[in-house]
Amino acid sequence: DSGVTQTPKHLITATGQRVTLRCSPRSGDLSVYWYQQSLDQGLQFLIQYYNGEERAKGNILERFSAQQFPDLHSELNLSSLELGDSALYFCASSVDGGGTEAFFGQGTRLTVV
Amino acid sequence: GQNIDQPTEMTATEGAIVQINCTYQTSGFNGLFWYQQHAGEAPTFLSYNVLDGLEEKGRFSSFLSRSKGYSYLLLKELQMKDSASYLCAIAYSGAGSYQLTFGKGTKLSVIP
Repeated sequence: DSGVTQTPKHLITATGQRVTLRCSPRSGDLSVYWYQQSLDQGLQFLIQYYNGEERAKGNILERFSAQQFPDLHSELNLSSLELGDSALYFCASSVDGGGTEAFFGQGTRLTVV
Repeated sequence: GQNIDQPTEMTATEGAIVQINCTYQTSGFNGLFWYQQHAGEAPTFLSYNVLDGLEEKGRFSSFLSRSKGYSYLLLKELQMKDSASYLCAIAYSGAGSYQLTFGKGTKLSVIP
């Protein structure tokens, strides 16, 4: 158990819908990262938050947004969902914003039908 | 931008040694990580190198050459449970931001 909690574990939804994925980082970790992993694709970096503020942005679509709350949990919002958005979405946390190992949650498997 | 290359697949025999290579190109290099990921599961941390040289941790060792943009992960005394994907990731910083970018991973199959 990495100490990073993601909910829900599985999500099935229709195209055009909106979903919210939730992540609780390890106790004491200030940084949260979101990654998307599709079949045959590596982990694609989406966005990083550090202590409530956006720190870095990767290949995140405009239909996607995220935030980190004062209690440091984070949410990833995916809207106007398309079939191609079906993937595993991982959240990871680390103590600080650089140079330390990131611990991953078990992921949310999103299926868009 | 950043670029990470690693072989797509490798096969090795139980009890043997295997070396998984990773080459990268980046600016603002801040360290290189190796993660293990079993199918459908979360990646788990294996090693971190920020200085040149070899880091040994039990059956796993990782090497880094910053001048060559090259790293390898060495797995000794292979066990069947080592069948997994091995992800090379580089940490880099610049313009006040820090990112951790992963390669596509090397799928290792350990055979009896």
